[in-house]
Amino acid sequence: GESVGLHLPTLSVQEGDNSIINCAYSNSASDYFIWYKQESGKGPQFIIDIRSNMDKRQGQRVTVLLNKTVKHLSLQIAATQPGDSAVYFCAETWGLGGGGNKLTFGTGTQLKVEL
Amino acid sequence: GAVVSQHPSWVICKSGTSVKIECRSLDFQATTMFWYRQFPKQSLMLMATSNEGSKATYEQGVEKDKFLINHASLTLSTLTVTSAHPEDSSFYICSAPAGATTYEQYFGPGTRLTVT
Repeated sequence: GESVGLHLPTLSVQEGDNSIINCAYSNSASDYFIWYKQESGKGPQFIIDIRSNMDKRQGQRVTVLLNKTVKHLSLQIAATQPGDSAVYFCAETWGLGGGGNKLTFGTGTQLKVEL
Repeated sequence: GAVVSQHPSWVICKSGTSVKIECRSLDFQATTMFWYRQFPKQSLMLMATSNEGSKATYEQGVEKDKFLINHASLTLSTLTVTSAHPEDSSFYICSAPAGATTYEQYFGPGTRLTVT
């Protein structure tokens, strides 16, 4: 499983630049992936999801890429804004879908946007 | 969109006392809810799956007698931390599935527990 460290990896970017946040997942059977944004003292907020039968999905200013061969997921944020500063988690799950499927969260990345 | 609420948002209690945290689905029903614990600078760790009308399913290493979960209705799950100790101080977050055919979950705002 994922190892949980005492320090979150940090990505610092300049406002207006693009951000790329990476995530390595562990279960080759996982077939659904979600990116969450968590601001300090709040619960996770859904950003974008992708199913294992896809390798790319785009949303508003965000793109998720999935590479099942190396079990890697990335979140790209275009034109990063100060409001994007937060911790970003990837989550994975598997199974028949819906209802009681448990999510397994990655270790997270702290995104800091510098003005 | 659907909302999940938690109460209280923060609580301070003395060592040895018990604390109850509520998780409510506000405009939808949830037969299943999930409870997570998050320590500072760390990820969310699933503690248990709360099942309406039946016993909760606990993850390995989580003490069921210490973290009591009750899912008495389709909109409410409670987590009671019994005989709390300082090491139980953490951010507790609940979630509920967005639907029967989707993997997405709605998360509550979290409850900050500090045990002194």
